Amino acid sequence: GQQLNQSPQSMFIQEGEDVSMNCTSSSIFNTWLWYKQDPGEGPVLLIALYKAGELTSNGRLTAQFGITRKDSFLNISASIPSDVGIYFCAGPLDTGTASKLTFGTGTRLQVTL
Amino acid sequence: SAVISQKPSRDICQRGTSLTIQCQVDSQVTMMFWYRQQPGQSLTLIATANQGSEATYESGFVIDKFPISRPNLTFSTLTVSNMSPEDSSIYLCSVGVSAYNEQFFGPGTRLTVL
Repeated sequence: GQQLNQSPQSMFIQEGEDVSMNCTSSSIFNTWLWYKQDPGEGPVLLIALYKAGELTSNGRLTAQFGITRKDSFLNISASIPSDVGIYFCAGPLDTGTASKLTFGTGTRLQVTL
Repeated sequence: SAVISQKPSRDICQRGTSLTIQCQVDSQVTMMFWYRQQPGQSLTLIATANQGSEATYESGFVIDKFPISRPNLTFSTLTVSNMSPEDSSIYLCSVGVSAYNEQFFGPGTRLTVL
């Protein structure tokens, strides 16, 4: 099936540093979603992107919908310990509304003090 | 968004038995989805559960192994049948509440099969 590849797979950073991660696809998407999953929890939606080139922020998080529509980027500024978790990108498998999603491979973020 | 709860939150089961996982939403939703997340892996869609019709399963998942019920617009169940240790995973339900493909997830059910 459709595969979304995320990079990096994991990263260790120090508190206060900025973080960048990306998600790439072999197919075009019309929506990009970014989720965060804490240990023992379900994924939580962080940011949704609907238009190529769109740049959207949610607090210290900023995500961009790549202009080729085959990639997306998530940046976290001034990281804090609670940013630890796994970040997933996701995109719809169908062109219809309320579509089923395919998820990326995930980026595991660990923050050291 | 929607508030989603799952029961049980975790369970340890013997091989060959079955477990039914419940998913309850605080509002009426058309689309509900069931995912599996194997240890250290990403989420994989098992099936789409629509009220009033049979669930639609993804490649690699069959109804005999993962029967799903959707009796109304706020509730669904997923049964993991004839379990083996390979079924040890987190099972997550989600709902689609907007026209823009956003989905919101329950807390998950952590299943361990011995």
